Amino acid sequence: DADVTQTPRNRITKTGKRIMLECSQTKGHDRMYWYRQDPGLGLRLIYYSFDVKDINKGEISDGYSVSRQAQAKFSLSLESAIPNQTALYFCATEGYNYGYTFGSGTRLTVV
Amino acid sequence: RKEVEQDPGPFNVPEGATVAFNCTYSNSASQSFFWYRQDCRKEPKLLMSVYSSGNEDGRFTAQLNRASQYISLLIRDSKLSDSATYLCAVNINTGGFKTIFGAGTRLFVKA
Repeated sequence: DADVTQTPRNRITKTGKRIMLECSQTKGHDRMYWYRQDPGLGLRLIYYSFDVKDINKGEISDGYSVSRQAQAKFSLSLESAIPNQTALYFCATEGYNYGYTFGSGTRLTVV
Repeated sequence: RKEVEQDPGPFNVPEGATVAFNCTYSNSASQSFFWYRQDCRKEPKLLMSVYSSGNEDGRFTAQLNRASQYISLLIRDSKLSDSATYLCAVNINTGGFKTIFGAGTRLFVKA
């Protein structure tokens, strides 16, 4: 099994729909992150969590929410999807200052 | 000015060539540094951490220049399989750690 697992891998949804992206990790790390990647813009941080009771907004949190259900699980929700949320989404976990392990990504298309 | 900047490239080099990428950072509170490799439509994967004394892993050498605030990645004897996007990442101590990714440098190695 992968260290960080994201589901679904690909998703096409309609404008206005609610969608949840799920992430689980087996690294045993407390820190988890959600990023989106757009061509030419690099990785941009949406939300992050340093432990189960800690949730923090990143630089582009508007239109997104998260839930840290357990140390191993961190889900991202789009409450009402819009086309400019079409992107590649990555979940990641981090051992303190030892670099990130990313999931394989969710390619989301909002039509 | 972006906190972390990379030349987007692309760098087109023949097999066997030596190629170097730089990544500049603006925040003097930056404390740890990393290089990631990202293949097309895949997740970034940690390539190497960058230590103050410099470090080498096979054909790859990473160096840090704190005075000029940049890190570098040198690839010797380039292989076709080195074709990818290389992202730098900087951890900044702002009371808590914050990681900023560069937008990446694309490398194409040609036969």
